[in-house]
Amino acid sequence: GENVEQHPSTLSVQEGDSAVIKCTYSDSASNYFPWYKQELGKRPQLIIDIRSNVGEKKDQRIAVTLNKTAKHFSLHITETQPEDSAVYFCAAPNSGNTPLVFGKGTRLSVIA
Amino acid sequence: DAMVIQNPRYQVTQFGKPVTLSCSQTLNHNVMYWYQQKSSQAPKLLFHYYDKDFNNEADTPDNFQSRRPNTSFCFLDIRSPGLGDAAMYLCATSRGDGYEQYFGPGTRLTVT
Repeated sequence: GENVEQHPSTLSVQEGDSAVIKCTYSDSASNYFPWYKQELGKRPQLIIDIRSNVGEKKDQRIAVTLNKTAKHFSLHITETQPEDSAVYFCAAPNSGNTPLVFGKGTRLSVIA
Repeated sequence: DAMVIQNPRYQVTQFGKPVTLSCSQTLNHNVMYWYQQKSSQAPKLLFHYYDKDFNNEADTPDNFQSRRPNTSFCFLDIRSPGLGDAAMYLCATSRGDGYEQYFGPGTRLTVT
């Protein structure tokens, strides 16, 4: 089955700096890679996703890059703001089109 | 515009006393998922349905069961809750694997 590893587990950045979170996956058949943001006491919400036919996707301050050869994908947040503080989870399908396996999460703190 | 609704939001039960958590959706999604999330951990998949086709994760405890009587509703039954079952239970829906999952607000279960 799929194994998704996420690093780092905690990350502190100064407001305005960039933050990068990385995930690796094991199943080369995986084809969908979402990132979810979970604020304290709230539900996870999708912030960006990427499919295996593209290498990068950007939405305002958030971008995701995918390296299929190396089997890793990364979340990039630029110009961080205090409201970006949350736990971020990457995920990948267990195999092909199957339910997601979540990484263990990264707690991001943006210090004003 | 609630899309995935969970009731109750907070549930307190006694050790060994059965409890049922409910989830409903207005998205008409084919797939529904139940996750267990403990503090500072990733959501852990318990069950999922493709329409009425039920799928149980291999490590889901036997005292957890689920029902999906129709497209809109799904229930999680915990037959004999133990202290270790205290957690946030998240319901999610999707139009299929490989698409965005929409999470409900969760039910926080306390076992006394």
